[in-house]
Amino acid sequence: AQTVTQSQPEMSVQEAETVTLSCTYDTSESNYYLFWYKQPPSRQMILVIRQEAYKQQNATENRFSVNFQKAAKSFSLKISDSQLGDTAMYFCAFMGRDAGGTSYGKLTFGQGTILTVHP
Amino acid sequence: EAGVAQSPRYKIIEKRQSVAFWCNPISGHATLYWYQQILGQGPKLLIQFQNNGVVDDSQLPKDRFSAERLKGVDSTLKIQPAKLEDSAVYLCASSLETGPDSPLHFGNGTRLTVT
Repeated sequence: AQTVTQSQPEMSVQEAETVTLSCTYDTSESNYYLFWYKQPPSRQMILVIRQEAYKQQNATENRFSVNFQKAAKSFSLKISDSQLGDTAMYFCAFMGRDAGGTSYGKLTFGQGTILTVHP
Repeated sequence: EAGVAQSPRYKIIEKRQSVAFWCNPISGHATLYWYQQILGQGPKLLIQFQNNGVVDDSQLPKDRFSAERLKGVDSTLKIQPAKLEDSAVYLCASSLETGPDSPLHFGNGTRLTVT
């Protein structure tokens, strides 16, 4: 079974600065997908960024980028020019093949990191 | 496009009582998920539907939890009888299809408190 670990329960950053959230995972699969989700106080989970394991190029979405190290099974999220609206809980998630191996299965989430952006 | 609708937003019940949550997914989304998110933890999948059929319910405590998706649209999740450890946020999500190319759209969740 896959596991996802986020070792930073809480992080804080000043507005306009850069912060990096860490995530490691464990899998024996060679192809899979990794995601970062944001959960603000409203509780609605929002997809931030997605990475396909077979792509070596790190994904970027505006101020959000990832550092994907496949050999180390590491998938960190970098937020540049942090904004007050970035304050939220951030979850790393893994999607691999299902038990039958014919299609992709469920998302497995990490424990989350609470990010607070200070003015 | 309207988002995933869930109700109620909050629910407080006593242990051994029953409770039901309702979810209306985005129109046209074939796949529907129920997640349980205990405070301080990441969401855990309880059950996944593809249209009105169950794809994965391996982590659903079937002795007390049940879910249905009649007609492949709305879904209800029921707990009977509730235990203290069921206190959590219950998130519903939907996607066009199953797989990494169909992003999940989440509702705002129902916060359940069992006393």
